[in-house]
Amino acid sequence: GNSVTQMEGPVTLSEEAFLTINCTYTATGYPSLFWYVQYPGEGLQLLLKATKADDKGSNKGFEATYRKETTSFHLEKGSVQVSDSAVYFCALRGGNQFYFGTGTSLTVIP
Amino acid sequence: SAVISQKPSRDICQRGTSLTIQCQVDSQVTMMFWYRQQPGQSLTLIATANQGSEATYESGFVIDKFPISRPNLTFSTLTVSNMSPEDSSIYLCSVAVDSPTDTQYFGPGTRLTVL
Repeated sequence: GNSVTQMEGPVTLSEEAFLTINCTYTATGYPSLFWYVQYPGEGLQLLLKATKADDKGSNKGFEATYRKETTSFHLEKGSVQVSDSAVYFCALRGGNQFYFGTGTSLTVIP
Repeated sequence: SAVISQKPSRDICQRGTSLTIQCQVDSQVTMMFWYRQQPGQSLTLIATANQGSEATYESGFVIDKFPISRPNLTFSTLTVSNMSPEDSSIYLCSVAVDSPTDTQYFGPGTRLTVL
């Protein structure tokens, strides 16, 4: 079946540090992969996506590359800001259904 | 993309009562979903709201507890019936845009507290 496993948090980083949040998936076929972000008190917002192997999604300085050989879609950012503090969800679309990871809470301190 | 609004944004309700949450989309979409997000947890799909037919419920969720309406391609409601404190959660409406982005967009959520 389809599932997503992502790195457990919480993660605390200093401003300008490098961020990696790991995400691996199990799926039949070739799913689309997503990262969503949820800021405090808000709903989920699409951060980036990739629809096929070796695609790189990017937005707001965040990047993730669809790696079929390792079934991974790790989220990275070279220099985090306090405003990046949020919960990040990895997700995949298999057929008509979406599968979400458990979320990783990130806190960036000045 | 799609812009989604939900009403109410939050509510505090008494045990045994019911609350209906509305979801409005700014464009016609085929697929609408309702999720629950309990405190500190990930999203759990409650059901897929189908226009013109009964909603499709996930395991552990039943129509009597979470009746759903989908009268047209831009609107849906979710009712949380006979509430208990265990129903305290954030309820999220989402839509799937199939072409060309194959992406799911979320509303801002309804934060429900049951006393």
